[in-house]
Amino acid sequence: DTGVSQDPRHKITKRGQNVTFRCDPISEHNRLYWYRQTLGQGPEFLTYFQNEAQLEKSRLLSDRFSAERPKGSFSTLEIQRTEQGDSAMYLCASSLTAYNEQFFGPGTRLTVL
Amino acid sequence: GQQLNQSPQSMFIQEGEDVSMNCTSSSIFNTWLWYKQDPGEGPVLLIALYKAGELTSNGRLTAQFGITRKDSFLNISASIPSDVGIYFCAGQPYNTNAGKSTFGDGTTLTVKP
Repeated sequence: DTGVSQDPRHKITKRGQNVTFRCDPISEHNRLYWYRQTLGQGPEFLTYFQNEAQLEKSRLLSDRFSAERPKGSFSTLEIQRTEQGDSAMYLCASSLTAYNEQFFGPGTRLTVL
Repeated sequence: GQQLNQSPQSMFIQEGEDVSMNCTSSSIFNTWLWYKQDPGEGPVLLIALYKAGELTSNGRLTAQFGITRKDSFLNISASIPSDVGIYFCAGQPYNTNAGKSTFGDGTTLTVKP
């Protein structure tokens, strides 16, 4: 399967714990995006990378959130000191360039107890 | 920030019926996108529109980019049970190469056999 993959698919954690998600984009895709989706709503943009450079962060991305794409391939999204409001589906998408179709992964569903 | 109003919020139709849904924005978009999302999966792109007035088809699906650049429509003809899912519109703003999308809150489609 050469699509976008995300790991884990589901994560349950207690409030205050740190969590890290991984996204593996389609090979050779330069652009990688992170979105957050809550129940009954569409995905909301969080941040994006052009290769290893993080070019924009949404104001939704508080100081507790950090994303990296160290070698321009896979990316990680870390949430520190999780809060119940962080419970959501975290979606990753990749595209060849800014002007090409974004392919979404299956998402990581986070539940903070 | 930019907001997309997507309607209707949900639709319950009989198999074989045609479906129409639309999306409006308070600001101009350069690109309109329509996605379908199945439970537990990421959105999948159905149709992309790049020019005002453009009308594009993908099988039984037809979408149009509004002349004002502030709206778009998606029609599904002769619905079948596998059309069930959540349909999202998304727009990419004018004068940006970020490629990030602003999503509507979705139209949930239920098709009764």
